[in-house]
Amino acid sequence: AQSVAQPEDQVNVAEGNPLTVKCTYSVSGNPYLFWYVQYPNRGLQFLLKYITGDNLVKGSYGFEAEFNKSQTSFHLKKPSALVSDSALYFCAVRDEDTGGFKTIFGAGTRLFVKA
Amino acid sequence: DAGITQSPRHKVTETGTPVTLRCHQTENHRYMYWYRQDPGHGLRLIHYSYGVKDTDKGEVSDGYSVSRSKTEDFLLTLESATSSQTSVYFCAISESARTPNTGELFFGEGSRLTVL
Repeated sequence: AQSVAQPEDQVNVAEGNPLTVKCTYSVSGNPYLFWYVQYPNRGLQFLLKYITGDNLVKGSYGFEAEFNKSQTSFHLKKPSALVSDSALYFCAVRDEDTGGFKTIFGAGTRLFVKA
Repeated sequence: DAGITQSPRHKVTETGTPVTLRCHQTENHRYMYWYRQDPGHGLRLIHYSYGVKDTDKGEVSDGYSVSRSKTEDFLLTLESATSSQTSVYFCAISESARTPNTGELFFGEGSRLTVL
């Protein structure tokens, strides 16, 4: 079965510093990986995805993610954090076992960026 | 923003009463999903639809039913609400689960349900 794990419930970083939000995955075939962000009292918004190709994927709002097949990781990164990046971040994988109809989410990591 | 509207946005009900949540999309996307969000669990799939009248269960489908009579509408029904169904419910849509479209999801704003 496909799964994703986000080992940190919370990440704290100072504004201007680089940030990393960790995600590891377990899939039976080729991984289709996603990052979503949720701001307070809002629905989730798609940030970026990895399907194939370059291991460094660029997405919205200056975020990027690094796919590492040997470590089965897909960490979200940003070179310089903003206070407005404070939100809940979800890593997700498309469930290829069921034909790709389902997306499985991690438990989420809350990011706090301090001014 | 994707045209997804959930209603009601907030509802308080009593144990044992039926509840229906509605998701309406204007994007003509084929796939529609209902998730619930609970602290520590992320999002868990309740039911999904891959076309009109075509639905299937997700990982937490007990106590829930769905219907999709039109492309644009996906209804989630709690036949007899329980306190364990207190949650925030999100509807999501995607165009296709097949390449080259890789199935990223677009979410509604959520429906907060409290069962007393």
